[in-house]
Amino acid sequence: EVQLLESGGGLVQPGGSLRLSCEVSGFTSDTSAMFWVRQAPGKGLEWVSGVSGSGDSTYYADSVKGRFTISRDYSKNTLYLQMNSLRVEDTAVYYCAKAAGPFYFDYWGQGTLVTVSS
Amino acid sequence: DIQVTQSPSTLSASVGDRVILTCRTSQSTNTWLAWYQQKPGKPPKLLIYMASRLHSGVPSRFSGSGSETEFTLTISSLQPDDFATYYCQHYNGYWTFGQGTKVEIK
Repeated sequence: EVQLLESGGGLVQPGGSLRLSCEVSGFTSDTSAMFWVRQAPGKGLEWVSGVSGSGDSTYYADSVKGRFTISRDYSKNTLYLQMNSLRVEDTAVYYCAKAAGPFYFDYWGQGTLVTVSS
Repeated sequence: DIQVTQSPSTLSASVGDRVILTCRTSQSTNTWLAWYQQKPGKPPKLLIYMASRLHSGVPSRFSGSGSETEFTLTISSLQPDDFATYYCQHYNGYWTFGQGTKVEIK
C-alpha cells in the first residue's frame, strides 16, 4: 500500500524558514517523481515544486523559485521541502504527492499546515 | 502560460442525476489531463488520467472524455459519496490546476 506521511508544518513569522518532510512507503521511490502541492485556506490547488525519480531534475513554480528547495533522501525514503523567506501568502496545507508520468498525481499524503503570520 | 478553466464553479444536483463537469484550456493541448475529487479536510484523490483512463479502484460511474481544448468529467448516476469538489489538472511542461467545481446537494 502506497503511503505518504508529511510532517514539519507549523506557525512561522514572515521571513522565517521551515522544512517539510514526507516519508514514503509502498513503492520504489527512486523510480517516481515526487511533488509538493499546496492549498491555501478555502482556495484551490497549486503545484509548488517537484523532483524527478533520479533526483537529477527539479521544478519550481514561479511563486516559490529562489526561496524553496526540494530534495530527497533515498536511504530514508523521504522527500523534503526547505522553505526560506516565507511570506504570508505561503500559508497553506502542503501536500506531498507521488507523480505518475510524471504528468499527474496518483497518490497524496494527508497534508501539513504551514501558517505564516506575525 | 496555458490557462485551465473549469465550469461551472458550483453545481447543484440530486442523487441519481447525470452530472457533467467541464475543463477548458486556453490552447489546444495533448491529453495529459487528469481529474481529482476532494472532500473537506481531505487530500485530493485521482479519478481520471490521460483524459479518459479510470484510476484503479475508482467506480465506473466516473468517466472522462475530450481533446484539444475541452474536456469533461461525467458522473453517470450521482451517489451520496460524490458530493465534493472536483479539480482538473493539465500538464504541458508545468502542472496547472483548474479552480475547481463544487458539486453540492440540490
